[in-house]
Amino acid sequence: DTGVSQNPRHKITKRGQNVTFRCDPISEHNRLYWYRQTLGQGPEFLTYFQNEAQLEKSRLLSDRFSAERPKGSFSTLEIQRTEQGDSAMYLCASSLVPGGSGSPLHFGNGTRLTVT
Amino acid sequence: AQSVAQPEDQVNVAEGNPLTVKCTYSVSGNPYLFWYVQYPNRGLQFLLKYITGDNLVKGSYGFEAEFNKSQTSFHLKKPSALVSDSALYFCAVRDGRSQAGTALIFGKGTTLSVSS
Repeated sequence: DTGVSQNPRHKITKRGQNVTFRCDPISEHNRLYWYRQTLGQGPEFLTYFQNEAQLEKSRLLSDRFSAERPKGSFSTLEIQRTEQGDSAMYLCASSLVPGGSGSPLHFGNGTRLTVT
Repeated sequence: AQSVAQPEDQVNVAEGNPLTVKCTYSVSGNPYLFWYVQYPNRGLQFLLKYITGDNLVKGSYGFEAEFNKSQTSFHLKKPSALVSDSALYFCAVRDGRSQAGTALIFGKGTTLSVSS
């Protein structure tokens, strides 16, 4: 179990630029989640995949955000035309099904995005 | 409304004393409840969960939590605190509105500080 890996750890970008983050889940985990965490708040759900299928998206996920998991392994989260309000820690997590909705999430260390 | 409340931003205890970190929730349907811990510059780590069964659940590092349906609470406890328990603790509940029942709603977090 090598854990959930996220790259890069930090990203500083100028407003209006596009950014892409990568997440490598625990290898045998078939569910992958993206959350966003701002300072002083708990993580907020963005989207989740089961294998390569994106099965749920939060209303927080505006059309500037897109996530993919093309082969059911790693995932990318892209933010287009970044805004200062996008500055946050982006967390990836994975879990194993079966285990249902009670399966614990394994989180990566996150990617901290700063939009200037 | 689906929500999780952690009424204390910070809890201070002396090493060796018992600790309690409070959590109350509001959710439709049967609650799936979780506690996660976040150490500085690290991802969230799963501590314990309540799905069904015994109201007292035991988890990692000597932590336990008590589910109280009438008070809609799920307080985290430990009989004897360690300095190494100092961290940020998050309570979470499965979002009953989530289509696939996978999204979690997190509280804002409680910082636990254990003094030697």
